[in-house]
Amino acid sequence: GAGVSQSPSNKVTEKGKDVELRCDPISGHTALYWYRQRLGQGLEFLIYFQGNSAPDKSGLPSDRFSAERTGESVSTLTIQRTQQEDSAVYLCASSEDFGRNEQFFGPGTRLTVL
Amino acid sequence: GENVEQHPSTLSVQEGDSAVIKCTYSDSASNYFPWYKQELGKRPQLIIDIRSNVGEKKDQRIAVTLNKTAKHFSLHITETQPEDSAVYFCAASNTGNQFYFGTGTSLTVIP
Repeated sequence: GAGVSQSPSNKVTEKGKDVELRCDPISGHTALYWYRQRLGQGLEFLIYFQGNSAPDKSGLPSDRFSAERTGESVSTLTIQRTQQEDSAVYLCASSEDFGRNEQFFGPGTRLTVL
Repeated sequence: GENVEQHPSTLSVQEGDSAVIKCTYSDSASNYFPWYKQELGKRPQLIIDIRSNVGEKKDQRIAVTLNKTAKHFSLHITETQPEDSAVYFCAASNTGNQFYFGTGTSLTVIP
């Protein structure tokens, strides 16, 4: 079936604007993760959704960042009042329930804040 | 929480030689250890994983070893080829919880 998809693939915005990034996980995957990857850097955990449980927001860097997920489907990551340091690739990943941990990554959204 | 450290950050090997990347973790509750390969401009992809009930796993030229007592695990690539050049990330997870990634190793295989 289809893999994890993300949109847009590229987003250029001006400092101070809000942006919304979308992730479509693999159908049936209950777990969904958002990561940030700055150029040449590792994967920085942002937020994790697991089924109907309260999300783990411990990785969100500031209150300008928020994310939502409707049931076990689409998730959106919103960054308000973007700053230049928000420029990065934002990766989404999904995985099956507790017993299966393999994460499947989406292609990412490259965000550039001018 | 969990802390995963990965070494080295960069690694260059001659084609045909072996490459070894090492990771340590801090949380003894972690029980799943995947390795991801990320080629330039592409998404990370799982190449091999190991669970805490085994000590070694092999898949052709790739192997992973796990030492639960010492809390470290390693990726071994034998007979390296230029297409193995990429960034490799290790990760640790406790089933059902978030993943903690290492900082990555940039592997270059010199033809």
